[in-house]
Amino acid sequence: AQKITQTQPGMFVQEKEAVTLDCTYDTSDQSYGLFWYKQPSSGEMIFLIYQGSYDEQNATEGRYSLNFQKARKSANLVISASQLGDSAMYFCAMRERYSGGGADGLTFGKGTHLIIQP
Amino acid sequence: EAGVAQSPRYKIIEKRQSVAFWCNPISGHATLYWYQQILGQGPKLLIQFQNNGVVDDSQLPKDRFSAERLKGVDSTLKIQPAKLEDSAVYLCASSLIPRRTGAYEQYFGPGTRLTVT
Repeated sequence: AQKITQTQPGMFVQEKEAVTLDCTYDTSDQSYGLFWYKQPSSGEMIFLIYQGSYDEQNATEGRYSLNFQKARKSANLVISASQLGDSAMYFCAMRERYSGGGADGLTFGKGTHLIIQP
Repeated sequence: EAGVAQSPRYKIIEKRQSVAFWCNPISGHATLYWYQQILGQGPKLLIQFQNNGVVDDSQLPKDRFSAERLKGVDSTLKIQPAKLEDSAVYLCASSLIPRRTGAYEQYFGPGTRLTVT
């Protein structure tokens, strides 16, 4: 089963509109972390926002916020007032329980290609 | 602060040849990761080092892939012999030592785009 599911392969959004990118996850761990990364056409992965499973408040970083619904196992990214520079691939990722052995590689979804139109 | 450095940025080889990629993590980052990103997919973890030691290599195809991190700093990832399906971007990332709580993002390098013909 997919651990991270991003159901929107591509999205077109008008500049200045808000956009929500969907992410659902599957884990049996109680302690985990959820990340969103942006990957422009240049290829680098840029960290956007983090949500811990025990965090009571939804994470926010500038124009980015994470709509965390733990019972539904969803962690949607909301970008307010979209800009042309937001056009990129967006990946949702999960880090599962820190086992004590240090293994904490991220599991990524397949991504959503967001295109902002003027 | 300098970011994660990788070289080369691009490499084209024929199948059955060998290739090596180099990564220099952010200074002070004890943990280093190699990911493989096939076109149209998200990155997949290949191997994780903490200092000199391997923490997780469960998804590394060990019959052809190898990696090392000498002196707990730079790392090299090698493929020998390469197959067509190894065509991908190889991303190196680094982070501080994992903790039980708190966010510690992984910082990614620009990647090496490998084409196997």
